[in-house]
Amino acid sequence: SQQGEEDPQALSIQEGENATMNCSYKTSINNLQWYRQNSGRGLVHLILIRSNEREKHSGRLRVTLDTSKKSSSLLITASRAADTASYFCATDEGSARQLTFGSGTQLTVLP
Amino acid sequence: SQTIHQWPATLVQPVGSPLSLECTVEGTSNPNLYWYRQAAGRGLQLLFYSVGIGQISSEVPQNLSASRPQDRQFILSSKKLLLSDSGFYLCAWNGDTNTEAFFGQGTRLTVV
Repeated sequence: SQQGEEDPQALSIQEGENATMNCSYKTSINNLQWYRQNSGRGLVHLILIRSNEREKHSGRLRVTLDTSKKSSSLLITASRAADTASYFCATDEGSARQLTFGSGTQLTVLP
Repeated sequence: SQTIHQWPATLVQPVGSPLSLECTVEGTSNPNLYWYRQAAGRGLQLLFYSVGIGQISSEVPQNLSASRPQDRQFILSSKKLLLSDSGFYLCAWNGDTNTEAFFGQGTRLTVV
């Protein structure tokens, strides 16, 4: 079953603007991850935030995690056309550390 | 460095034909291995995962099966493909202590 669910499903912004995507999940997690997928390609890992962390930064990416609300957000600052892709959150469940993914947010950055 | 190979990149198969997709990992040992399917414009559905040789867990009942004959080899199979098996199949791995997952480039399967 799908654990993480992202919203919005699609987001279109102008280059230079910030993009915010949200993810909600249902059960306890060890960590939450964000991935990026260019059309027709495999997923690429962006950032991992552990359940005891509240915020994490990596370059233009900022991820927050609120375990009380079972939600996370991914912020991409100063977006570029090359950021156009689908973004997925993924959570791990239990000792097997299987990853379950949400349905993703399709981000389009217009030049 | 670790790498993951998945092939073929594209495949067109008739209904009722068998399927074998292969995934191999290099540069690591005892990885967790995963097969996902992605419908067009959708998220990833976990099909199978494996924590060791011969250990396969299935997430959804389906027409597919998986095997792990070697530590770093994961195979997705079907005896008879259905139209509904069409999709984008992704293999992935992660380690025991670091759950960041690494994905292959995917196989676009079209059943006709």
